[in-house]
Amino acid sequence: GDSVTQMEGPVTLSEEAFLTINCTYTATGYPSLFWYVQYPGEGLQLLLKATKADDKGSNKGFEATYRKETTSFHLEKGSVQVSDSAVYFCAQRGYGSEKLVFGKGMKLTVNP
Amino acid sequence: DTGVSQDPRHKITKRGQNVTFRCDPISEHNRLYWYRQTLGQGPEFLTYFQNEAQLEKSRLLSDRFSAERPKGSFSTLEIQRTEQGDSAMYLCASSLEAGGLSGYTFGSGTRLTVV
Repeated sequence: GDSVTQMEGPVTLSEEAFLTINCTYTATGYPSLFWYVQYPGEGLQLLLKATKADDKGSNKGFEATYRKETTSFHLEKGSVQVSDSAVYFCAQRGYGSEKLVFGKGMKLTVNP
Repeated sequence: DTGVSQDPRHKITKRGQNVTFRCDPISEHNRLYWYRQTLGQGPEFLTYFQNEAQLEKSRLLSDRFSAERPKGSFSTLEIQRTEQGDSAMYLCASSLEAGGLSGYTFGSGTRLTVV
């Protein structure tokens, strides 16, 4: 069945460090791909998305590119801030489906 | 627009008791979803409504679980004869478009602890 595998943390970085969170998926067909973020004490929020191959999603300095050939959607940010401390979830939604399939999430802590 | 509201935020119940959670979606959103999240895991899909019709149910939703959305607005999720394995965060989300192309809006969740 459809699944998402992502880097598991927790990960601790210093402010201004480079961030990569790996995410790969298995799916029948071509899903839409998402990154969600959960800040402490808050609900899940959509960070960025891509709906077809080679699309790049971007928001708040974060980027991810839909790579069909490697079935990946890695999240990157060039310079993290303390305010980026959160749990990050990669997710997919199959074509024609209403269901999101999530990875396990990765907790990121950024220290000043 | 106050987002997706869930009530209660926390619920502690004894094993064997019934519990009911409520979700109020964003008012113009016609699609509503329930997910369950256990510690260290990502959310898992439980069920989905379009207006008042329940269109999809996960195999995770055993016959002890029932969800309703009687008027196509708020929804309730009831768990009968709770078990310790039901302890989790129950998340509600809503969307306007098919497949949530603009993203699903999630509530903050109801944390259930079964003792």
